[in-house]
Amino acid sequence: EIVMTQSPGTLSVSPGERVTLSCRASQSVRYNLAWYQQIPGQAPRLLIHGTSTRATGVPGRFSGSGSGTEFTLTISSLQSEDVAVYYCQQYDKWPPLTFGGGTKVEIK
Amino acid sequence: QVQLQESGPGLVKPAETLSLTCTVSGVSISDSYWSWIRQSPGKGLEWIGFGHYSGSTNYDPSLKSRVAISVDTSKNQVSLRLTSVTGADTAVYYCVRSGGVYWYFDLWGHGTLVTVSS
Repeated sequence: EIVMTQSPGTLSVSPGERVTLSCRASQSVRYNLAWYQQIPGQAPRLLIHGTSTRATGVPGRFSGSGSGTEFTLTISSLQSEDVAVYYCQQYDKWPPLTFGGGTKVEIK
Repeated sequence: QVQLQESGPGLVKPAETLSLTCTVSGVSISDSYWSWIRQSPGKGLEWIGFGHYSGSTNYDPSLKSRVAISVDTSKNQVSLRLTSVTGADTAVYYCVRSGGVYWYFDLWGHGTLVTVSS
């Protein structure tokens, strides 16, 4: 099973600041990495797939990068509506399909 | 409008079977693979498995002995059965879609909370 590790656990950021979230895989997942946003009280929403492809309707301030075992989700300028928990997920080697433990983004 | 609506008992007794249904509307149920993902209170996301209208299924190995997922095209529904439940199965259960050629999840239901308790 591929273990996904996200860091940090929580980020407190001022509005307008740049946010960088990390996701590490226990073995290479090539580019088969997705990111999800879960706003409190809601279901997760797909943000990015294929490491860097934004899903339909996702604002341009969200971007993804990386390959192999190291991946990054960047929010170029944090907005209040971006307060959420962000999860990465690998879909290269399965079963099982696995998620990271999440990074919580808060407004400072 | 595409919609996934989970339904089923909110309370299940230990050792009994958890049964949930996902009603799919606005999209052909035959075109996709349908997974169940759960989230224990305050925890992360756990993939349970997927089903396809062809009968193809795949499950998390740790749950494989207790889980069954099926797709009913006549009712546009996806079903989950999880046997011999314990408190560790208490979670919000989500019905989600993936394309089959891709294994990320692009459509999520709102989720339904199932509590295992006597």
